[in-house]
Amino acid sequence: EAQVTQNPRYLITVTGKKLTVTCSQNMNHEYMSWYRQDPGLGLRQIYYSMNVEVTDKGDVPEGYKVSRKEKRNFPLILESPSPNQTSLYFCASSPIATKTRLSEQYFGPGTRLTVT
Amino acid sequence: GQNIDQPTEMTATEGAIVQINCTYQTSGFNGLFWYQQHAGEAPTFLSYNVLDGLEEKGRFSSFLSRSKGYSYLLLKELQMKDSASYLCAVESAGGYNKLIFGAGTRLAVHP
Repeated sequence: EAQVTQNPRYLITVTGKKLTVTCSQNMNHEYMSWYRQDPGLGLRQIYYSMNVEVTDKGDVPEGYKVSRKEKRNFPLILESPSPNQTSLYFCASSPIATKTRLSEQYFGPGTRLTVT
Repeated sequence: GQNIDQPTEMTATEGAIVQINCTYQTSGFNGLFWYQQHAGEAPTFLSYNVLDGLEEKGRFSSFLSRSKGYSYLLLKELQMKDSASYLCAVESAGGYNKLIFGAGTRLAVHP
């Protein structure tokens, strides 16, 4: 089954304790992205990747890191989480329709993170 | 700046037609997406408009006017299962390949 998986689905942690949220897709998509979703603000892009070893900042990258060492995986790293990073996180992937255009994105089930 | 505006909430009656509007101001434009998101779930793709005009797909249609920075999603023959949030997203141009989402419109369908 074609899908995007995220782990963990739920996480409660404390300020400053490093954590990683994994994301994996089995559709051989070039493009992968991380979003956070907060009430009233919608989905905001954190980082995206056009292909292996190619990553770039989205609109809210502060406090996050990513890596793309393999095409299927795109982990999100919070080196020192803070309470303002409490949010619902989605990973997404898509094929690239052309060099400059995206195609529809497939979203993972989401990770609800609480930082106390 | 970059801005996408949608109504926060809408209500409609089962069997009716509803139009959800989206206006945008972005740095360049490659295309506009509509996604559906049920409460507690991931967004799922509904439609994609690149050129001006109407794209129809079953009960759902999406319209785009690039000159006006305006799109709408039209839902016909509403069903209870259409109660969800509808997200408008613009792909900015200039090689950024970024998607900018609106805050979403929460639609409640009543019997």
